[in-house]
Amino acid sequence: GNSVTQMEGPVTLSEEAFLTINCTYTATGYPSLFWYVQYPGEGLQLLLKATKADDKGSNKGFEATYRKETTSFHLEKGSVQVSDSAVYFCALGGSGGSYIPTFGRGTSLIVHP
Amino acid sequence: GAGVSQSPSNKVTEKGKDVELRCDPISGHTALYWYRQSLGQGLEFLIYFQGNSAPDKSGLPSDRFSAERTGGSVSTLTIQRTQQEDSAVYLCASKKTGRFEETQYFGPGTRLLVL
Repeated sequence: GNSVTQMEGPVTLSEEAFLTINCTYTATGYPSLFWYVQYPGEGLQLLLKATKADDKGSNKGFEATYRKETTSFHLEKGSVQVSDSAVYFCALGGSGGSYIPTFGRGTSLIVHP
Repeated sequence: GAGVSQSPSNKVTEKGKDVELRCDPISGHTALYWYRQSLGQGLEFLIYFQGNSAPDKSGLPSDRFSAERTGGSVSTLTIQRTQQEDSAVYLCASKKTGRFEETQYFGPGTRLLVL
């Protein structure tokens, strides 16, 4: 079955530092890939997505590239802000006839001023 | 427009009692999912509704858990005879219909504490 592995957190950075959160996956077929963000006390919201190999998703300064050869979808941001503090989830869309997505465990990011 | 709403936002109950959690999806979204998020864990899929089709219940952890969706809109997740291990955040998400419509829209969740 499909699975997602994310780096464990928390990731603690100073403001303006470079961020990478690693995500690798195993999947049947070629699902779309997603990053969702969960701010404290809220539900998840879509941050960015990529639907096919070599696609780059981007939003709010965050980027991730769908790498089929390394089965990865690492999240990056060049300069983080305190307001980026949240939990980030990597996810696979449904594939192989399934409409059930697969989520990683989430990576907590803490950004200090 | 309005997003996905869930109620109650917090629920404290005693072990052995039944609880009902409600989800109001975005109007027009035909797909609805329930997930459980335990501390330090990812999202555990529970159940999926799509239109009038039979729901996919493959994620329900035991027969104490059930869900229904009335009129293709509001959904209720019921947990009978609650146990302490049921304590978690229960998230609902809805989605448009369409082969390329994969983005899920989440509610804020219901935080359930079983004492």
